[in-house]
Amino acid sequence: EAGVAQSPRYKIIEKRQSVAFWCNPISGHATLYWYQQILGQGPKLLIQFQNNGVVDDSQLPKDRFSAERLKGVDSTLKIQPAKLEDSAVYLCASSLDILLTGLNEKLFFGSGTQLSVL
Amino acid sequence: RKEVEQDPGPFNVPEGATVAFNCTYSNSASQSFFWYRQDCRKEPKLLMSVYSSGNEDGRFTAQLNRASQYISLLIRDSKLSDSATYLCVVNDYKLSFGAGTTVTVRA
Repeated sequence: EAGVAQSPRYKIIEKRQSVAFWCNPISGHATLYWYQQILGQGPKLLIQFQNNGVVDDSQLPKDRFSAERLKGVDSTLKIQPAKLEDSAVYLCASSLDILLTGLNEKLFFGSGTQLSVL
Repeated sequence: RKEVEQDPGPFNVPEGATVAFNCTYSNSASQSFFWYRQDCRKEPKLLMSVYSSGNEDGRFTAQLNRASQYISLLIRDSKLSDSATYLCVVNDYKLSFGAGTTVTVRA
């Protein structure tokens, strides 16, 4: 079974530039998450989708970050303009359906995109 | 207080040793807990769920202490391949990750 696909694997940009990340979840997974993981810290949820609807984006810096999952399958996360503090690994994860599995929800992560903002 | 707190370690142990570490959580109503493993520069992967009665998976034992609001992970007979960062996760219909505990097993 194919896992969660993410691209690109690495990205280096200068501050104030824009960048976009792509994620394709495991087939049939309704719930998709974007996490930001800064070196030495645990993953921090940026946004959670249930199919093509947003469930939680309370920690997404909406002045510069945006995300969409228009057809309820793959998703893109964009940063515009980037800041130095955005340097991190951006992890996409998917799960079967949090509305069905609830507290037993198990996440499957992609390999992540390592972003360096110079 | 952070939602999920872990001792960052590192825990440096010889092969064959037993190592254990805890994770505390702030929401006394939390019901669902997991341990994820993250290798260096890799993505987190589910290690095991934590059940109320405690549970084992091979050399790994997870326990929950609701009164003191912590979960624990114990690794017996440590292998070099157990070297990783172990992330504690609390699911309150929103998954909260700890910063991780680093374990290094030396030959």
